[in-house]
Amino acid sequence: GAVVSQHPSWVICKSGTSVKIECRSLDFQATTMFWYRQFPKQSLMLMATSNEGSKATYEQGVEKDKFLINHASLTLSTLTVTSAHPEDSSFYICSAMGGGYGTGELFFGEGSRLTVL
Amino acid sequence: KQEVTQIPAALSVPEGENLVLNCSFTDSAIYNLQWFRQDPGKGLTSLLLIQSSQREQTSGRLNASLDKSSGRSTLYIAASQPGDSATYLCATDNYGQNFVFGPGTRLSVLP
Repeated sequence: GAVVSQHPSWVICKSGTSVKIECRSLDFQATTMFWYRQFPKQSLMLMATSNEGSKATYEQGVEKDKFLINHASLTLSTLTVTSAHPEDSSFYICSAMGGGYGTGELFFGEGSRLTVL
Repeated sequence: KQEVTQIPAALSVPEGENLVLNCSFTDSAIYNLQWFRQDPGKGLTSLLLIQSSQREQTSGRLNASLDKSSGRSTLYIAASQPGDSATYLCATDNYGQNFVFGPGTRLSVLP
């Protein structure tokens, strides 16, 4: 299957700093990527849909100024957690659609675990 | 709004057993349904994708079925192995809505 790479896998930062997480589709072009957050022992919570060349669409309750998403190319989307606080500590996962929206399979990155001290 | 549920929430079986994981969804207007596996602290791995026009898909020891009219999908795992221990999630790709995930079934296969 298609490969989605996410980096970094682990990041620890101080409160108040910003952290950038990258999501790359390695062997296919992804016009749409998704960002999720996962709390321990819970399912994925969709944060936003990232569309190449346009603004991301955020889910209700997700602060767009807090979680900046950029999808500047067909193979790269980034999530920046700005002014991170301990409550932002979580597991963040990206995914990319292969084969066109509505017909394609969803492929996931390995996830990034963020710990804010 | 689509809602996806999975039963059971957790399952523990001895090695070698055949088992069935269940996924239910409330809105049958879906493009497809996908089954994933998640190992602790890891991302999701796609297992099987069933298009809305299909009834089942098979990959190795895994077989997934889809009954859109009743809003159900099942994942059948044959001859389970300890390496199958993980959380299994189903997700629907919905018209006019993003993917909706079920809460997952935590599977433990005991040696």
